[in-house]
Amino acid sequence: GQNIDQPTEMTATEGAIVQINCTYQTSGFNGLFWYQQHAGEAPTFLSYNVLDGLEEKGRFSSFLSRSKGYSYLLLKELQMKDSASYLCAVMDSNYQLIWGAGTKLIIKP
Amino acid sequence: ETGVTQTPRHLVMGMTNKKSLKCEQHLGHNAMYWYKQSAKKPLELMFVYSLEERVENNSVPSRFSPECPNSSHLFLHLHTLQPEDSALYLCASSQSAEGPSGANVLTFGAGSRLTVL
Repeated sequence: GQNIDQPTEMTATEGAIVQINCTYQTSGFNGLFWYQQHAGEAPTFLSYNVLDGLEEKGRFSSFLSRSKGYSYLLLKELQMKDSASYLCAVMDSNYQLIWGAGTKLIIKP
Repeated sequence: ETGVTQTPRHLVMGMTNKKSLKCEQHLGHNAMYWYKQSAKKPLELMFVYSLEERVENNSVPSRFSPECPNSSHLFLHLHTLQPEDSALYLCASSQSAEGPSGANVLTFGAGSRLTVL
């Protein structure tokens, strides 16, 4: 079966760096997405990786290794507003999105 | 404002009630989706509409009935639900239903929190 694994919850300190990992086993691969979802709000698009390597967008970066079935989202200079759930999703060979259960990130002062 | 608006934001209903969830998008997108989000579980795709035609139904029980009268509006009609149907129901839209990509990302609404008593 198809599976996306990411940690259920992580805690980090304001101003620090945190890395949220996502490993996947899917039938084919057509891209990996990261979404951010604040409590009670809509998930919002953060990044899309289809080729190996690191994509940087300001304080957020996303990395992909297709051979390892692995991605991570790196958040730098953490702010309190980064407290949210982070959702990893992979598009399989049928162009279906397979979602992880999300990682709840708690930022402490 | 995300461009995708869902109403109501919260709904409590009994198992014998009939209610509807509404979704509206102002992004000019051609595809709309219903997802179910339960605590600590992955998003579950329920229905996909492309240009007002249903293109996917992921084996959803018939007590959930979607309707897409035009490309901007999507409804989810609910009847005789079960307590396990309590969840956050998310609507999303995208430029096309050909498969998400960097240029065809999903834009979500804030969801309708449904509680079935």
